[in-house]
This record gives sequence, structure tokens and C-alpha cells, in this order.
Amino acid sequence: EVQLLESGGGLVQPGGSLRLSCAASGFTFSSYAMSWVRQAPGKGLEWVSAISGRGGSTYYADSVKGRFTISRDNSKNTLYLQMDSLRAEDTAIYYCAKTTTGYSSNQYKYYFDYWGQGTLVTVSS
Amino acid sequence: QSVLTQPPSASGTPGQRVTISCSGSSSNIGSNTVDWYQQLPGTAPKLLLYSNNQRPSGVPDRFSGSKSGTSASLAISGLQSEDEADYYCAAWDDSLNGVLFGGGTKLTVL
Repeated sequence: EVQLLESGGGLVQPGGSLRLSCAASGFTFSSYAMSWVRQAPGKGLEWVSAISGRGGSTYYADSVKGRFTISRDNSKNTLYLQMDSLRAEDTAIYYCAKTTTGYSSNQYKYYFDYWGQGTLVTVSS
Repeated sequence: QSVLTQPPSASGTPGQRVTISCSGSSSNIGSNTVDWYQQLPGTAPKLLLYSNNQRPSGVPDRFSGSKSGTSASLAISGLQSEDEADYYCAAWDDSLNGVLFGGGTKLTVL
């Protein structure tokens, strides 16, 4: 059974830093890309960042580029999100998601087939 | 950052068929597959449909998806009270080099 367990959320002041972790189990972690998706209170889903299975390729939403860093430790089956220079608008539940990528009839597929329960990040003074 | 366009709300009575639309552009829906996620109140999102119209194991065949050009739609037949949730479409965007989500549609079962 696939399980994803996020941790590291909490209250942080504007300009501060936080590191989120996502412990994965139930699948071959290094074979899959992983992503972070967030949801501000009462708002919709926003993709934040993604990393390839071996960690060689990373992707970021424009809203976090230069401030957030995604990484993974395949020996520990763990995904990370280092968040620096945090802003009030970064307040959200952060979900990690197992990600399936590839091609289907010449179209690129990139979807989140399993999600964690989320961890709340609150940026406030 | 741009989003895929969904109606903010939809509704139907038990047993009815409802559809939710998702409009994008050539750089996302027009060239890549569309996925749908269901988020029940107070829970994490769950994959509902992937690659335009594929159902993960466990998803009832009441849920179906289609795509044409730069638009996609989710259809729910035989509507049930437990289908009351938020529904999001999503697709990879070649220009942004990332995933775009729709704004979400809140489905109410009357």
C-alpha cells in the first residue's frame, strides 16, 4: 500500500525558512517522480514543484522559483521541500504526491496518483 | 500564473448526469493529457481520472472523461450524494514547464 506522510509544517514569520519532509513507502521510491502541491485556505490546488526519480531534473512554479528548493534522498525514501524567504501568500496546506510521467498517444502525461494527508504551513507575524 | 478554466459550481439531483468542463490552450490541454481530481470535504485530493479518460482501480465507471482540442470534460452519471466534492482538472503546460490546475468546481447534490 502506497503511503506518503508529510511533516515539518508550522508557524513561521515572513522572511523565515521551513523544511518539509515526505516519507514514502509501498512503492519503489527512486523509480518515480515526486511533486509538491499546495492549497491555500479556502482556495484551489496549485502545483509547486517536482523532481525526477533520480533527482537530476527539478521544476518549479514561477511563484516559488528562487525561494523553494526540492530534493530527495532515495536511500531514505524521503522527499523534501526547503522553503526560504517565506511570504504570507505561501500559507497553505502542502501535499506531497507520487507522480507518474510519460507519453500516451504522443501526449505528455504527468499526474499525481497518490497524495499525502498534507502539512499546514502558516506564514504570519 | 494562468489556470485552466472551470465553472466554479455545478449541481444535480440524485441519479442525474452532470458534466464539468475544463478549458485550456494549445500548450496544455491541446498537446498533453488531462487528469481529474476529486477532493471530498476536509480530505486530500484523490486521482479520479488520468490520461483524459482512464479510471484508476476503484473508481466507479459512473465517472468518465473526454477531451477535444483545447477543452476537456468530466461526466458523472447516476449522481450520488457521496459525489458532493470539489473537482479539479489538470494538465502539463509546455510553456510553463509545469502542471496547471483548473480553479476547481464545487459539485452540489441537491
